[in-house]
Amino acid sequence: DVKVTQSSRYLVKRTGEKVFLECVQDMDHENMFWYRQDPGLGLRLIYFSYDVKMKEKGDIPEGYSVSREKKERFSLILESASTNQTSMYLCASTSTGDTEAFFGQGTRLTVV
Amino acid sequence: GQSLEQPSEVTAVEGAIVQINCTYQTSGFYGLSWYQQHDGGAPTFLSYNGLDGLEETGRFSSFLSRSDSYGYLLLQELQMKDSASYFCDLNRDDKIIFGKGTRLHILP
Repeated sequence: DVKVTQSSRYLVKRTGEKVFLECVQDMDHENMFWYRQDPGLGLRLIYFSYDVKMKEKGDIPEGYSVSREKKERFSLILESASTNQTSMYLCASTSTGDTEAFFGQGTRLTVV
Repeated sequence: GQSLEQPSEVTAVEGAIVQINCTYQTSGFYGLSWYQQHDGGAPTFLSYNGLDGLEETGRFSSFLSRSDSYGYLLLQELQMKDSASYFCDLNRDDKIIFGKGTRLHILP
């Protein structure tokens, strides 16, 4: 059974903290993605990676960075968390040439 | 650039048929996919159209017309468990862009 696992389901952090959201996939997929999901705005792409140590900006990269040191792991970093980063964060992965994306269960982050 | 437009909400009756439309503006893409997301859950893949025409998978069908920049998801014999949000997305150079989603409400 294929799996994308996000390290936390719920997270509460304080403004200004550095936050790490971890995502691991066990399908040997090349491509990994981070989205945030907010009511009425759908899924917005923050960053994606198509190979180890490679990263590309999505539509809303400001305030975020990413790290892909190993093929199976893609980390989203909030350098200095702010209240407007309170959201549901979803990680996904795909294999190059495949059409189906597999999602993690999401991390609901609250910044207070 | 690229953008996808979907209706924000659609309401239908149990047992009926409903169509959820997706229009897009992009300079090129591989195909159009559809995902379903229940409240509190992760999006799950429903269907993919790489070519123009209709793809059928059980009660769900999806259609693509590149000349009209348009696609749709058709759900037949609606069941209460189909109450969810539905997202269209474009696959382009391994980058996946989603529409804002359509919330489907089903009445008994």
